[in-house]
Amino acid sequence: ETGVTQSPTHLIKTRGQQVTLRCSSQSGHNTVSWYQQALGQGPQFIFQYYREEENGRGNFPPRFSGLQFPNYSSELNVNALELDDSALYLCAITLKDRFPYGYTFGSGTRLTVV
Amino acid sequence: EDQVTQSPEALRLQEGESSSLNCSYTVSGLRGLFWYRQDPGKGPEFLFTLYSAGEEKEKERLKATLTKKESFLHITAPKPEDSATYLCAVQARYNQGGKLIFGQGTELSVKP
Repeated sequence: ETGVTQSPTHLIKTRGQQVTLRCSSQSGHNTVSWYQQALGQGPQFIFQYYREEENGRGNFPPRFSGLQFPNYSSELNVNALELDDSALYLCAITLKDRFPYGYTFGSGTRLTVV
Repeated sequence: EDQVTQSPEALRLQEGESSSLNCSYTVSGLRGLFWYRQDPGKGPEFLFTLYSAGEEKEKERLKATLTKKESFLHITAPKPEDSATYLCAVQARYNQGGKLIFGQGTELSVKP
């Protein structure tokens, strides 16, 4: 049990639609990051939030956006879905007062765009 | 450009047959190198963090080592339950927002 919960576990959307993925943790965390993992590839960094503000972003277009809430939950929003957005989306947190910064991942949301 | 390359892409072992996985990296100042295990359909599970060349860490049948250009994950006398994809990632000292750069992974299969 990682203590990081993602929902939903699976999702099917149509091209052009919008989707919201959610992440929450059982305990306080410093940062929350989102990653996209295509089949057979390593995870790719989308962005990171710290104290409810984005403080780092990978090579993803603005239609990928996020939010971090005071209650240790976070959202990833993707607008105008494309077929290539089909992937496993992972949320990762760093736990409070734990140095080095071990990143704890959730089990992910499998998004399929048709 | 910061980059991580893992080899081999896939590795098949017999139970008890020891081997090593390689992670070569290029990074503008290493803050940390991470090893993760990932089972199918699951998120990565943290194994080790290494910070400086010469550092070694062990956990059960796994031992991770680090040099200035690469890291090795040694698996001693593996068991079928060690079958998984092993991911290596680096964090650069000066990158923004704690970004981890992952390799593509090594898929390990251990047959009884």
